[in-house]
Amino acid sequence: AQSVTQLGSHVSVSEGALVLLRCNYSSSVPPYLFWYVQYPNQGLQLLLKYTTGATLVKGINGFEAEFKKSETSFHLTKPSAHMSDAAEYFCAVSDRRNAGNMLTFGGGTRLMVKP
Amino acid sequence: EPEVTQTPSHQVTQMGQEVILRCVPISNHLYFYWYRQILGQKVEFLVSFYNNEISEKSEIFDDQFSVERPDGSNFTLKIRSTKLEDSAMYFCASSVEGGANVLTFGAGSRLTVL
Repeated sequence: AQSVTQLGSHVSVSEGALVLLRCNYSSSVPPYLFWYVQYPNQGLQLLLKYTTGATLVKGINGFEAEFKKSETSFHLTKPSAHMSDAAEYFCAVSDRRNAGNMLTFGGGTRLMVKP
Repeated sequence: EPEVTQTPSHQVTQMGQEVILRCVPISNHLYFYWYRQILGQKVEFLVSFYNNEISEKSEIFDDQFSVERPDGSNFTLKIRSTKLEDSAMYFCASSVEGGANVLTFGAGSRLTVL
């Protein structure tokens, strides 16, 4: 069975500072990896995904994530935080052996950005 | 930009009542999903639906739950005889294909069972 762990349910950074949100997964084979963001009163929106190929993937709003197989990690980063980045961020995986698209989510990390 | 629409945004019901949550997926999408998030807990997969039948379901999705695509546009989740522990945010999602294809989520329906 797959599982996803997001270290830190709350992360606070200053505007302009580096954002680092951690995600580790447990899976018998490397899964597909996703980061979703949820703004208040909105649905989950895809930030980026990794399926194959280059391990550093770039997403929307200046975010990127790097797949590290040896560390079973897929940490999300952004060089400079903006106030509008305040939201909840979810890491998710899906089993590439399945034709379906069942996602297993981490517990989420709420990002707060201080002026 | 196409979006997944869910109604109602919030429903309050009495324990034991039946609830139907409705979703309008993106029109050219073929896979449909329900997820739920109990307050303070992880987003959990409930069920996926393709070609007019359930393709995967989790242990949570027991006989109390059912899904249906009654017409060409709506995708519904029915919860029979609701329990207090069914209180959660329910998210509908759809995707063009399965596999690594990206899910587009709706804004959610908050269900409160009293």
